Amino acid sequence: KAGVTQTPRYLIKTRGQQVTLSCSPISGHRSVSWYQQTPGQGLQFLFEYFSETQRNKGNFPGRFSGRQFSNSRSEMNVSTLELGDSALYLCASSATGQAVSGANVLTFGAGSRLTVL
Amino acid sequence: AQKVTQAQTEISVVEKEDVTLDCVYETRDTTYYLFWYKQPPSGELVFLIRRNSFDEQNEISGRYSWNFQKSTSSFNFTITASQVVDSAVYFCALSEGYNTDKLIFGTGTRLQVFP
Repeated sequence: KAGVTQTPRYLIKTRGQQVTLSCSPISGHRSVSWYQQTPGQGLQFLFEYFSETQRNKGNFPGRFSGRQFSNSRSEMNVSTLELGDSALYLCASSATGQAVSGANVLTFGAGSRLTVL
Repeated sequence: AQKVTQAQTEISVVEKEDVTLDCVYETRDTTYYLFWYKQPPSGELVFLIRRNSFDEQNEISGRYSWNFQKSTSSFNFTITASQVVDSAVYFCALSEGYNTDKLIFGTGTRLQVFP
């Protein structure tokens, strides 16, 4: 089956702009989570969604937001971009919350690499 | 607070050598899960193994093996007879409970296997 799809794969923005990243989970997965990866801070949890509800949120400013749609697809938005937002943004999906074996094993997408100039 | 420590930043070996990647974790919970992920140069994190806190059995999968010891809060990963294709960054991660996708990652260990 198809994996986790993230778009766009690469993008360049300037400070002050906003960006929206998209994630399509594995078919049947209802949980989607987002992570930010930078050389300095490593992999950090942003937020997770299940059935259109935010289940958990990491320690990021309010400029970072997300949502999940009824088809489980998710988007995250970063407003008023700063240089420090340059990172690889990884989306993952799982069957967490669903009564299936192998739940809470995350399958990651290839990421969206954001460069802020 | 939860924490995962991977003290080895980078390891270089020659093909066919065995290599062990260390992972030490901290958590106050009794129910938790430990994971190992591999990140090749393409960037996509690839799941390798999941272990829950109640299962201390070691596991072997081909050339890969994992040693989970609650007494030392460690979950080490050994690659036997390493190959060039094993070159990647390996992450150890911790989650609390079963109903969350929030993982606390270690800083990763970059493994370079030379021919």
